[in-house]
Amino acid sequence: AQSVTQLGSHVSVSEGALVLLRCNYSSSVPPYLFWYVQYPNQGLQLLLKYTSAATLVKGINGFEAEFKKSETSFHLTKPSAHMSDAAEYFCAVSPFGNEKLTFGTGTRLTIIP
Amino acid sequence: EAQVTQNPRYLITVTGKKLTVTCSQNMNHEYMSWYRQDPGLGLRQIYYSMNVEVTDKGDVPEGYKVSRKEKRNFPLILESPSPNQTSLYFCASSDRVVSGANVLTFGAGSRLTVL
Repeated sequence: AQSVTQLGSHVSVSEGALVLLRCNYSSSVPPYLFWYVQYPNQGLQLLLKYTSAATLVKGINGFEAEFKKSETSFHLTKPSAHMSDAAEYFCAVSPFGNEKLTFGTGTRLTIIP
Repeated sequence: EAQVTQNPRYLITVTGKKLTVTCSQNMNHEYMSWYRQDPGLGLRQIYYSMNVEVTDKGDVPEGYKVSRKEKRNFPLILESPSPNQTSLYFCASSDRVVSGANVLTFGAGSRLTVL
């Protein structure tokens, strides 16, 4: 069985500061990993995904995530926060060859002007 | 425009009154799924469908039913709603990629309140 742990249900950063959202996973087989973002009153949309091609994955809106097998982590970063980044972010894991996707509990990101 | 459409977007109902939340996608996706989102719990899968007439339970299927008679539609049925089913519901779909790295397209959500 797979699982995802997102550390910090709420994260606040100043505009222009580094964004770091943490995600640790557990999977008995090589995983696929995803970050989804949910803007207020909207559904989720994909930010980026890891499929074993490269450990550093670049996504939309300047976000990127690095897969670290030794740490079982897939943290999401952005060098400089923008007000429009305020949203809830979900990490998700899917085992290879299985469509079942397990989501973390989410991290709400607030940007301080 | 490629999209997943859910209806209704908002609904207030009473305990025991059967209701159906519809979900339709126009992308010819094989895989469809229902999630519920609750504060502090993230998204939990209710049911999913790999193709027409193929459905399976997710993590929290109790109190829900689904059907997949057509590829584009995947309705969620609450036969006898209870207050603990008050939640935000999302339908999602994707191509069935054999490797499993499916990217889900989500609907805008349906907020259900059961009194």
